[in-house]
Amino acid sequence: QITLKESGPTLVKPTQTLTLTCTFSGFSLSASGVGVGWIRQPPGKALEWLALIYWDDDKRYSPSLKSRVTITKDTSKNQVVLTMTNMDPEDTATYHCAHAKYQVLWSFDPWGQGTLVTVSS
Amino acid sequence: EIVLTQSPGTLSLSPGERATLSCRASQSVGGNYLAWYQQKPGQAPRLLIFGASRRATGIPDRFSGSGSGTDFTLTIYNLEPEDFAVYYCQQYGSSPPFFTFGPGTTVDIK
Repeated sequence: QITLKESGPTLVKPTQTLTLTCTFSGFSLSASGVGVGWIRQPPGKALEWLALIYWDDDKRYSPSLKSRVTITKDTSKNQVVLTMTNMDPEDTATYHCAHAKYQVLWSFDPWGQGTLVTVSS
Repeated sequence: EIVLTQSPGTLSLSPGERATLSCRASQSVGGNYLAWYQQKPGQAPRLLIFGASRRATGIPDRFSGSGSGTDFTLTIYNLEPEDFAVYYCQQYGSSPPFFTFGPGTTVDIK
């Protein structure tokens, strides 16, 4: 059974850097054809994809956030870390990590429960 | 850059009815890399359909996906009370922006 769980601060100040950790189990991020993505959802709004890291350490970023977002992995710890710089109140959202794999054509399944991050001074 | 548009924004139906949700892409979705998700309040999204028409593991057969190119449809037959939720489509491509979600369709109880 694959599970993912997000952790990190619930409140950050404007201009600060956000660091979120996704801790997963049930799969290996060193296995071919596997990835972990980050997706966020502002309250009452739609989903927005942020970044994805592949098993081979290749990375993809949303063009609109590429200058602010970094994704890394620690395969030995079964963790993926997302950092986002220069946080703004508009970045207030629930941040989800999710498992992806080639066999389901890079759809996201399953998802972590998400963590709500509020950006406020 | 591919943009996904979903219609209608809200669909009001009764249990037992059929729901037809549309997802339209601004450019052709290569390889039919199109997925559908269901999200209930306070929950994470759940994968329903991938590859435009393939049901994910454990998804009831009342959920059916179809379409290709730029026009895709999610049909929910015989709506059950637990099917009232928000539905998102998502595409994957080999060029930026790589992953795109649609704005969602809410299926609520009439």
